[in-house]
Amino acid sequence: DSGVTQTPKHLITATGQRVTLRCSPRSGDLSVYWYQQSLDQGLQFLIQYYNGEERAKGNILERFSAQQFPDLHSELNLSSLELGDSALYFCASSVAPEEAQYFGPGTRLTVL
Amino acid sequence: QKEVEQDPGPLSVPEGAIVSLNCTYSNSAFQYFMWYRQYSRKGPELLMYTYSSGNKEDGRFTAQVDKSSKYISLFIRDSQPSDSATYLCAMSETGGYNKLIFGAGTRLAVHP
Repeated sequence: DSGVTQTPKHLITATGQRVTLRCSPRSGDLSVYWYQQSLDQGLQFLIQYYNGEERAKGNILERFSAQQFPDLHSELNLSSLELGDSALYFCASSVAPEEAQYFGPGTRLTVL
Repeated sequence: QKEVEQDPGPLSVPEGAIVSLNCTYSNSAFQYFMWYRQYSRKGPELLMYTYSSGNKEDGRFTAQVDKSSKYISLFIRDSQPSDSATYLCAMSETGGYNKLIFGAGTRLAVHP
């Protein structure tokens, strides 16, 4: 157990809908990262937050957004969902941006 | 061409064998190198974290980084059936913007 928690574990929804994924980092970690893992693309970096501020962006779609709250938990919002958004979404956290990242168990999103 | 190349396998070895897993990369700015283990449908688990070139050993695991050849390796000694998983290499540039770039992962099966 890495200490990173993610909810929900599974989400099944329909195309066009909006969902919110939640992540609580390890105690003491200020940096939160979101990754998407699909069969064809592998693990892809989406976005990074550090102490509430956006720090780096990857190939995150405009339909996706995220934020990190004062208590350091983070949420990833996915809207206008498409079939191709079906994937595993992982959150990771680290003490500081240059330190090792620890991953949560992931949220499996299925868009029907 | 991908920034990080990793043979997806699968790699099948008998219990007790020494396993060698490798990644090559093209971005000379990568400074941090990691190996993660991922069991099916679980979050990646950090195995090794190294900075710049050199070797690092932790129990049965040894990580090697050769920046001149842009080549990293993970060796597993005395492999066990419980080592059966997908092994992902990951890399990032200097700290502050710790976006991990992952290899495709190598599936390893250790049979009794």
